Amino acid sequence: TQLLEQSPQFLSIQEGENLTVYCNSSSVFSSLQWYRQEPGEGPVLLVTVVTGGEVKKLKRLTFQFGDARKDSSLHITAAQPGDTGLYLCAGDSTGSQGNLIFGKGTKLSVKP
Amino acid sequence: EPEVTQTPSHQVTQMGQEVILRCVPISNHLYFYWYRQILGQKVEFLVSFYNNEISEKSEIFDDQFSVERPDGSNFTLKIRSTKLEDSAMYFCASSARVNQPQHFGDGTRLSIL
Repeated sequence: TQLLEQSPQFLSIQEGENLTVYCNSSSVFSSLQWYRQEPGEGPVLLVTVVTGGEVKKLKRLTFQFGDARKDSSLHITAAQPGDTGLYLCAGDSTGSQGNLIFGKGTKLSVKP
Repeated sequence: EPEVTQTPSHQVTQMGQEVILRCVPISNHLYFYWYRQILGQKVEFLVSFYNNEISEKSEIFDDQFSVERPDGSNFTLKIRSTKLEDSAMYFCASSARVNQPQHFGDGTRLSIL
């Protein structure tokens, strides 16, 4: 069974700080997606990474896919209160028909 | 921006009753999915659907569950005889192609009494 482990589970920081959250697995994924989920809402897609070693930037957010396509990280620079939310990684297992495997998420709180 | 819409937002049903959850995927998407999220747990895959057929399903998706695309726009999940443990948020998602990014609706909160 493929699993995605996210760390840390909870993160509380002050506005302006930098942070990194991790998404790790012992399995290879054909792609990995990062979502953000607000309470009572569905996951909102932030980015998809496909190629091992790929780095994608979305304003202050930097996403990296590991060379072996088993892990990924999300780095936020100068966090703002608006970044508060639950960040989920989800992997597309090789050969699947869209069966996304989700991590448990990192709950980020950015205090002003 | 196109979005996936789900109805109802909250459904309360007695145990043993049938329930149908509805979804309108993004209009040019061809692949459709259902996921569920039990309170405090991770999002879990239920089923994927393409070309009027189930492409893949998980162990959770047993004989009590069925999916249908009754017309050109709706995609439904039916639970035939609900159990207490079916209480969860149910999310519909769609993608343009298989293994393309999936876009999620805001979910239906299903509460079984």
